[in-house]
Amino acid sequence: QKEVEQNSGPLSVPEGAIASLNCTYSDRVSQSFFWYRQYSGKSPELIMSIYSNGDKEDGRFTAQLNKASQYVSLLIRDSQPSDSATYLCAVIQGGFKTIFGAGTRLFVKA
Amino acid sequence: NAGVMQNPRHLVRRRGQEARLRCSPMKGHSHVYWYRQLPEEGLKFMVYLQKENIIDESGMPKERFSAEFPKEGPSILRIQQVVRGDSAAYFCASSRTGDTQYFGPGTRLTVL
Repeated sequence: QKEVEQNSGPLSVPEGAIASLNCTYSDRVSQSFFWYRQYSGKSPELIMSIYSNGDKEDGRFTAQLNKASQYVSLLIRDSQPSDSATYLCAVIQGGFKTIFGAGTRLFVKA
Repeated sequence: NAGVMQNPRHLVRRRGQEARLRCSPMKGHSHVYWYRQLPEEGLKFMVYLQKENIIDESGMPKERFSAEFPKEGPSILRIQQVVRGDSAAYFCASSRTGDTQYFGPGTRLTVL
């Protein structure tokens, strides 16, 4: 079992729709969770961090964390073509090691 | 405020040569991470350093690879006797607290 799993996609949504990206992790002691966006040929850029169970909203983005189910998700409302990218889920395990998922490719169709 | 800086942005080496990749963290950040990314693959953790200390190098190959973060100057990722399989993008990230990480633009290494 991979430590951090994401559906590789591609996930295709029409412009204006909600994109839902999911991530599961295996280490129960993980405490810190992050979503990054990476455009092709570019470096990852931080979208959001989340540490507590529940929802965290920032503009069009909402991160959701459920530690009991070892599940973290990212919702993108009113998706735009410029949101087309690969979205990386990252988890800091007990200690300092950060594990990234392989990423989900998102395509937003105009 | 300047972000994380990496140089060179592109590096070409022949098999057997050495590659040195540099990373200057954001101002006020004392935690540095190195990652490798192969085409169409995710980021693979290599090493985590604080000033003058290697905290976790569990993701770094035992041979040919080394990293340092001296008291003064940038962090250096060194690859000796490069092979074609070392061709990848190498990203550095820095953090103030060891939690949220901010990435540099990366160094694209090509081994001929």
